[in-house]
Amino acid sequence: LAKTTQPISMDSYEGQEVNITCSHNNIATNDYITWYQQFPSQGPRFIIQGYKTKVTNEVASLFIPADRKSSTLSLPRVSLSDTAVYYCLVGDRSNYGGSQGNLIFGKGTKLSVKP
Amino acid sequence: DSGVTQTPKHLITATGQRVTLRCSPRSGDLSVYWYQQSLDQGLQFLIQYYNGEERAKGNILERFSAQQFPDLHSELNLSSLELGDSALYFCASSVELEWAGELFFGEGSRLTVL
Repeated sequence: LAKTTQPISMDSYEGQEVNITCSHNNIATNDYITWYQQFPSQGPRFIIQGYKTKVTNEVASLFIPADRKSSTLSLPRVSLSDTAVYYCLVGDRSNYGGSQGNLIFGKGTKLSVKP
Repeated sequence: DSGVTQTPKHLITATGQRVTLRCSPRSGDLSVYWYQQSLDQGLQFLIQYYNGEERAKGNILERFSAQQFPDLHSELNLSSLELGDSALYFCASSVELEWAGELFFGEGSRLTVL
């Protein structure tokens, strides 16, 4: 069961790029890395998923080094509305019962964006 | 709007009571997941159902039970409630049995036990 470690909190200012790193030293070969965003009193929302190298979508980029023991979620030019908790999940997306890493959110990183 | 509907949005009850939380997944989604989120514990996975059958179990207490009905909606039953059960309860759904990476979460049901 892959475990993840993220900073508890981060502060940033509007317009800056924010990078949130997640450590997952025990990641398995079949594990994918997924990030979610959660606003207060709302359910988490999927942001991005990747396996290796770099993935980019309209919201964020995900950087995964060759050893895959960590990953970095990059949010370009954040705004006040990006203030939220960000969760890093690691799990085997083909294994619904055996590996629950894909279902474990942990406490995430609380990002506060200031004006 | 994720397409996942949870009711009630808010619920206040007393210790020792029993409540039922309801979840309607997105149209076409066969998997339903339940999560509990309290201030000090973060988001905890409770249980997963797929097409009516239990498929994965997390940190769900024996006082809690869940089921998924033929129309795919799910209910989470919480009994002998304690103060510590006060939390946000989220339901999520996905299309497949295997987790493909994206869960769609509802807005949650906030339970307050007095």
